Amino acid sequence: DVKVTQSSRYLVKRTGEKVFLECVQDMDHENMFWYRQDPGLGLRLIYFSYDVKMKEKGDIPEGYSVSREKKERFSLILESASTNQTSMYLCASSPTSGGYNEQFFGPGTRLTVL
Amino acid sequence: AQSVAQPEDQVNVAEGNPLTVKCTYSVSGNPYLFWYVQYPNRGLQFLLKYITGDNLVKGSYGFEAEFNKSQTSFHLKKPSALVSDSALYFCAVRAESRFTGGGNKLTFGTGTQLKVEL
Repeated sequence: DVKVTQSSRYLVKRTGEKVFLECVQDMDHENMFWYRQDPGLGLRLIYFSYDVKMKEKGDIPEGYSVSREKKERFSLILESASTNQTSMYLCASSPTSGGYNEQFFGPGTRLTVL
Repeated sequence: AQSVAQPEDQVNVAEGNPLTVKCTYSVSGNPYLFWYVQYPNRGLQFLLKYITGDNLVKGSYGFEAEFNKSQTSFHLKKPSALVSDSALYFCAVRAESRFTGGGNKLTFGTGTQLKVEL
């Protein structure tokens, strides 16, 4: 089974702190994604990566950056956390071959910024 | 641009009754369509997908979905609901593309909360 793990289930940070959210997948997938989930808004794509050191902005990249130094790991960085970044963050991965593969999700990190 | 609409925020159904969770989509070209389920405080789990072929797709936990190209819909169905089906359901779409890179980007709907009661 594909396993996508996220470094924390719950995280509480203060406004202005730098926050790192880590995601690791064990299936050698090329593609990795970061979403945030908010009630009534569904999932919104923040950034994605289709190869090591490659990244592309999603729909809501402002206030976030990402890093992918190794194929299995994709990090989301909040340079200076703000209260409006309080949310559930979901990481996902998928293979490229076939072009129509589903994404596999991690358990999520619920981030609270005070 | 591609988009997904889930017109119902919540669907209530009695256990044993059939359930339907609605989804309509907009995409250029042929769509790839997906349904996911999310249980409380968990990530999303894949249920089923439509790529091509038979319009009725069968998936996990007894769920199925019907692709209707003329109505641009992909409704999720189950003949007999269980209390354990209570969860948040998401529909997602991406456009068919010969470019298999670019991350297989999906566009998700806003979700429908399914509540199955005894």
